[in-house]
Amino acid sequence: DTGVSQDPRHKITKRGQNVTFRCDPISEHNRLYWYRQTLGQGPEFLTYFQNEAQLEKSRLLSDRFSAERPKGSFSTLEIQRTEQGDSAMYLCASSLVVTGELFFGEGSRLTVL
Amino acid sequence: GQQLNQSPQSMFIQEGEDVSMNCTSSSIFNTWLWYKQDPGEGPVLLIALYKAGELTSNGRLTAQFGITRKDSFLNISASIPSDVGIYFCAGPNYGGSQGNLIFGKGTKLSVKP
Repeated sequence: DTGVSQDPRHKITKRGQNVTFRCDPISEHNRLYWYRQTLGQGPEFLTYFQNEAQLEKSRLLSDRFSAERPKGSFSTLEIQRTEQGDSAMYLCASSLVVTGELFFGEGSRLTVL
Repeated sequence: GQQLNQSPQSMFIQEGEDVSMNCTSSSIFNTWLWYKQDPGEGPVLLIALYKAGELTSNGRLTAQFGITRKDSFLNISASIPSDVGIYFCAGPNYGGSQGNLIFGKGTKLSVKP
C-alpha cells in the first residue's frame, strides 16, 4: 500500500502525560503536514515539512508540541504534559506537487482524561 | 481572518435524490478543494478547482468555482448510501505556505435507503 499511514489510531492518556504520534507519508512525497481536528470542525493546520526542514508552524502549535521529520521520511508529533483541550484527531497529510492536493492519513485520535 | 462558511450544516435525503451544497467566503480564493470524510477516517480529496467559472466532474459529483471567486458549489446526483459522510470545502490560507489550508465546518450528509 502506498497511502499515508498513522500510528497509533487511538490513544487514551491521562492529563500530564506525554504522547507521540507517527506518520509515514506516501513514499515519493517530499512534503508532510500535520493538522488537528476537533469534533464538529474542519481540520486546522499545525505545521509542515519539506523533506526534513520544518518550514511553517501555526500559532496553534504551543510550546508543548514538537514535530520532527529527521530523515525526510516519517514524522513524529509529540505532545508534552497533555491537557484535556488536546483531545482531538491528529491528521497527517503528504503531497508531492504543490497544488494544494493533500492526501490525508486516517488520523490518530487522542483522548486526554 | 479567512473563514469558509458551508451550508447546509446537515442534510437528510432519500436515496436517489440529488444533493447541492455550497461554500462561501468573504475573501477571494484562487483554489477550491472539496473533501469527503467518513467517520473515524481522514478526509479524501474529491475535486480540485483552480479557475473561476470552472466546472469539474468526478463521477456523480460536480463542483463549480464561483465567478466571484468567493464561493464554490458541490452537487451529487442520484445519491447512494455510501455518499454518507461529511463534505468539507477548503482553500489556501493566505499568508501561509501552500498546503496550509483553511477548511469549512462541513456539511453532514445522511442518506435514507
